[in-house]
Amino acid sequence: GENVEQHPSTLSVQEGDSAVIKCTYSDSASNYFPWYKQELGKRPQLIIDIRSNVGEKKDQRIAVTLNKTAKHFSLHITETQPEDSAVYFCAALDRSNDYKLSFGAGTTVTVRA
Amino acid sequence: DGGITQSPKYLFRKEGQNVTLSCEQNLNHDAMYWYRQDPGQGLRLIYYSQIVNDFQKGDIAEGYSVSREKKESFPLTVTSAQKNPTAFYLCASSNTGVLDYGYTFGSGTRLTVV
Repeated sequence: GENVEQHPSTLSVQEGDSAVIKCTYSDSASNYFPWYKQELGKRPQLIIDIRSNVGEKKDQRIAVTLNKTAKHFSLHITETQPEDSAVYFCAALDRSNDYKLSFGAGTTVTVRA
Repeated sequence: DGGITQSPKYLFRKEGQNVTLSCEQNLNHDAMYWYRQDPGQGLRLIYYSQIVNDFQKGDIAEGYSVSREKKESFPLTVTSAQKNPTAFYLCASSNTGVLDYGYTFGSGTRLTVV
């Protein structure tokens, strides 16, 4: 099955700086990679996703890049704001295991004012 | 709640008691999932179902049971066999067999043992 590793586990950035979270996956057949944001006590919400036929996708201040050869993908948040403080989860579609998502362990992002 | 509703929001369980958490979706999604989240931890899969009347164990199924009698509903029972049930429980749903595999999560149920 798919194994997703996520780094770092915690990330503290100054407001206005960029934040980068990296994930690696093990199954080269995986072709869908979503990112979820979970604010304290709330449900995870999809913020961006990427499929294996593209290398980069942007949505305002967030972007995701995918390197299929190296089997890693990253979330980039630019011009961070206090409302970006949350836990972020990466995931990869496990096509060998009922098409479930395999989640990374999460990154707690704190934006310092 | 974006088409998927969990109830109750807070639940208190006494020692030795079974409790059932409700999850209902109106998204016409085929698959439904239950996750457990402990403080500061990630998402651990308890059970999942891809079709009515069928479900599979996840990574931490012991002490839990589920049913899937209707496409819209996937209740989770936390039994007395679950020795440490205090946690945040999240239900999710998704389409299968199409290009959109993303999960939609419910707002969660916080279970506390008293």
